[in-house]
Amino acid sequence: EAQVTQNPRYLITVTGKKLTVTCSQNMNHEYMSWYRQDPGLGLRQIYYSMNVEVTDKGDVPEGYKVSRKEKRNFPLILESPSPNQTSLYFCASSGVGGELFFGEGSRLTVL
Amino acid sequence: QQQVKQSPQSLIVQKGGISIINCAYENTAFDYFPWYQQFPGKGPALLIAIRPDVSEKKEGRFTISFNKSAKQFSLHIMDSQPGDSATYFCAASITNAGKSTFGDGTTLTVKP
Repeated sequence: EAQVTQNPRYLITVTGKKLTVTCSQNMNHEYMSWYRQDPGLGLRQIYYSMNVEVTDKGDVPEGYKVSRKEKRNFPLILESPSPNQTSLYFCASSGVGGELFFGEGSRLTVL
Repeated sequence: QQQVKQSPQSLIVQKGGISIINCAYENTAFDYFPWYQQFPGKGPALLIAIRPDVSEKKEGRFTISFNKSAKQFSLHIMDSQPGDSATYFCAASITNAGKSTFGDGTTLTVKP
C-alpha cells in the first residue's frame, strides 16, 4: 500500500528539549516536504526536498531543521522547541506529477 | 505576503445544493492547481486538480473552473452530500521545484 508514515502521531514535550519527527514514504517519490497546520492559517510549508541531499526553506523554516540522506526518509528536527511550535505537522511526498500524498499528521504540544 | 487567497472561510449548504469555493493566486510561475479534502484526524487527500492549459475539469460531482487571465480558480461541488462535509484546501504548485502554497481552507458543512 502506498503511504507516507509519520511518527510520533502525538507528542507533548517541554521547551528546549530536542525532538525529531520521522517521515518515510514507500512510493519512490523524489519530492518530500513538511507542513504545519494551524487554525485559520491553512497549511504552511516548512521545508522541502527535491531529492537526496537537496533541501530548501519553505515559508516558515525558522526553528526547524531537516535532512534527506535517503530518498524515502525526511525527518523534521526541532533543536530547541518553543510553545509557538505547538501545531499539527504533516509530511508529504510527490512524484513528478505534482500530487501530494500526506501522512496522517503529528500533533505536537510544547509546554 | 499570501500568495493564495481562499474564500469563504466556512460554508453551509443544504443537501443537494451547490457548494462553491474560490481561490486567487499571484505567482504566474504556478503550473499545477489542486484541491485537497481533509476529514478530521486525517491528512489532506487530493480531490481534483487542473493545469493552466485548460479552463475546466470535471470528475463526477466535482468541477474546477480555471481563469488564467484573472488568476483565479474555483471548486464546484454539485448535489452536495453530508459526506462532503470536510475542510477543503486549494493549492498552487511549481511542480519542478517541489514547492506548494496552500489557501487557508474552507470548512464545508452540508446539512441533511
